[in-house]
Amino acid sequence: SAVISQKPSRDICQRGTSLTIQCQVDSQVTMMFWYRQQPGQSLTLIATANQGSEATYESGFVIDKFPISRPNLTFSTLTVSNMSPEDSSIYLCSVSLAGGLYNEQFFGPGTRLTVL
Amino acid sequence: GESVGLHLPTLSVQEGDNSIINCAYSNSASDYFIWYKQESGKGPQFIIDIRSNMDKRQGQRVTVLLNKTVKHLSLQIAATQPGDSAVYFCAESGGTSYGKLTFGQGTILTVHP
Repeated sequence: SAVISQKPSRDICQRGTSLTIQCQVDSQVTMMFWYRQQPGQSLTLIATANQGSEATYESGFVIDKFPISRPNLTFSTLTVSNMSPEDSSIYLCSVSLAGGLYNEQFFGPGTRLTVL
Repeated sequence: GESVGLHLPTLSVQEGDNSIINCAYSNSASDYFIWYKQESGKGPQFIIDIRSNMDKRQGQRVTVLLNKTVKHLSLQIAATQPGDSAVYFCAESGGTSYGKLTFGQGTILTVHP
């Protein structure tokens, strides 16, 4: 497996501001993903963070709202822009060590975001 | 992926009993499945996975069963312990969703001492 850390672990933000969440992995990984987990619900994939190129977003998520960077094989950031209370969620990064279809995906501890 | 509803199914068991958590998936092209355990305030923890060329796989105290005919997945936990109390999610991948996971709605497992 991999050790995945996220910063911050939680934050309370004002409407209209932006927050950047960091995801750091202790080893080089092939694939990194960002998920959102709204209160009491399951996880929804936001995007795949691609190293050296633009992220691939899922339906319903756009780059202007959730810009993502992945400068190397161990680090990625997700920004939640122009926040509203509806953005209050847990944001999780995950990694797949070797890529491919049949490879375990491991999750970070999550960032709990509350927007007032 | 889709998130489903605000009210997760619940399962309450006594310590020492066996638990069975069920999951129905919708994509017939899915060929890889994972069960995760999520404790309060933590990220999902990988439990066990299974590929579609298998119908059963066993781990330590856990067994995953896959029925592709009816698109059903189950997680069996033997001798359930209070530390098993958590939300359990199934996730599927396959078809054109290379490496991406679609999560089920989750089940809250409560183990009573």
